[in-house]
Amino acid sequence: GQSLEQPSEVTAVEGAIVQINCTYQTSGFYGLSWYQQHDGGAPTFLSYNALDGLEETGRFSSFLSRSDSYGYLLLQELQMKDSASYFCAVRDPSGNTPLVFGKGTRLSVIA
Amino acid sequence: SQTIHQWPATLVQPVGSPLSLECTVEGTSNPNLYWYRQAAGRGLQLLFYSVGIGQISSEVPQNLSASRPQDRQFILSSKKLLLSDSGFYLCAWSDIPSGRPYYEQYFGPGTRLTVT
Repeated sequence: GQSLEQPSEVTAVEGAIVQINCTYQTSGFYGLSWYQQHDGGAPTFLSYNALDGLEETGRFSSFLSRSDSYGYLLLQELQMKDSASYFCAVRDPSGNTPLVFGKGTRLSVIA
Repeated sequence: SQTIHQWPATLVQPVGSPLSLECTVEGTSNPNLYWYRQAAGRGLQLLFYSVGIGQISSEVPQNLSASRPQDRQFILSSKKLLLSDSGFYLCAWSDIPSGRPYYEQYFGPGTRLTVT
């Protein structure tokens, strides 16, 4: 099975940089994904890492270290609209299985 | 392009009443389909997933059931709702692109269910 751990809450100041960590335990590994969910909305895909290293998409970057079973999402130049919940997710490579999500990190951006 | 629909958007039901939530996907064929439930301020709990018509995998034993009568239709049902069934129900779809090692899941707008 799979399990993921991420902090439940993070608070950061507008314009700053914040890092949301995710550690995972899986019987197999097929990449780490990140999703964003605003209050009352549906989760939307942000990024994916299959290999070690940093993937950058605009103000958001995601990092993976497979040897450490660890990844993080980095948000730069924080804006108020970044206040949301962020979920990391993994999928077992064996078969046609769904993503397994962490419990989510609620990010609050303050002025 | 692909779109996913869920209805209703909100629902208030008394304890013991039946439930039927519908999800449909457009613009793709033979998608994988999923039902998740999210309690207020909590994570995403996978309830059911389906890799084809009539094929349903249940992740959590409960008083809910799912059916897939058509390729792009996924239905979540209950014969008798419990108070603990309240939550935000999300349908999602995905496919597995050939030659790519991962897939994204695309979520519908969700149904907010309150059981009173």
